[in-house]
Amino acid sequence: DAKTTQPPSMDCAEGRAANLPCNHSTISGNEYVYWYRQIHSQGPQYIIHGLKNNETNEMASLIITEDRKSSTLILPHATLRDTAVYYCILYNFNKFYFGSGTKLNVKP
Amino acid sequence: GAVVSQHPSWVICKSGTSVKIECRSLDFQATTMFWYRQFPKQSLMLMATSNEGSKATYEQGVEKDKFLINHASLTLSTLTVTSAHPEDSSFYICSARSGDEQFFGPGTRLTVL
Repeated sequence: DAKTTQPPSMDCAEGRAANLPCNHSTISGNEYVYWYRQIHSQGPQYIIHGLKNNETNEMASLIITEDRKSSTLILPHATLRDTAVYYCILYNFNKFYFGSGTKLNVKP
Repeated sequence: GAVVSQHPSWVICKSGTSVKIECRSLDFQATTMFWYRQFPKQSLMLMATSNEGSKATYEQGVEKDKFLINHASLTLSTLTVTSAHPEDSSFYICSARSGDEQFFGPGTRLTVL
């Protein structure tokens, strides 16, 4: 039931920005874009969410295209502790369906 | 942010026995909680939605008689894996909704021998 498509893995150098893309071409008007991450053998951790405007918080920035069919999560200065699986999820305050996510490998 | 706890964090049981996993929202009330299962190197799969004071709703393909869910209070939902078998070995994760966010528990690792 996941409606998002993400690359299976990405590498990023420590200290550089990590840009994680997500395609959600069938997004509905009432669906928000949520991002969570899961560090090995832990529960998912909330990062950020948005509807149509770009959002920024202390962890990351979320850029949503004008047609809302894709988005990018930006970690401005990746650290080794940011190594995790990142999930892009469409949510209409009903249920979360996780896609396969992107494994981000931050390398020294 | 809000905190969700799970107990136990890991459990090992013999085939044929039943195992209960608790999910608690520690500092907020949750009328709705969710249960997920995650096999190694796979994503989280939604199993069921737990509603306080009413029956849980299960996703297609999830056996409701095998995975018993009880949401008896606004801060506690339990998942009982009945007559567990080795193929039920997995990482079980719960979440609770608070406002715009869902907060996830740390997960319970179940190993059935």
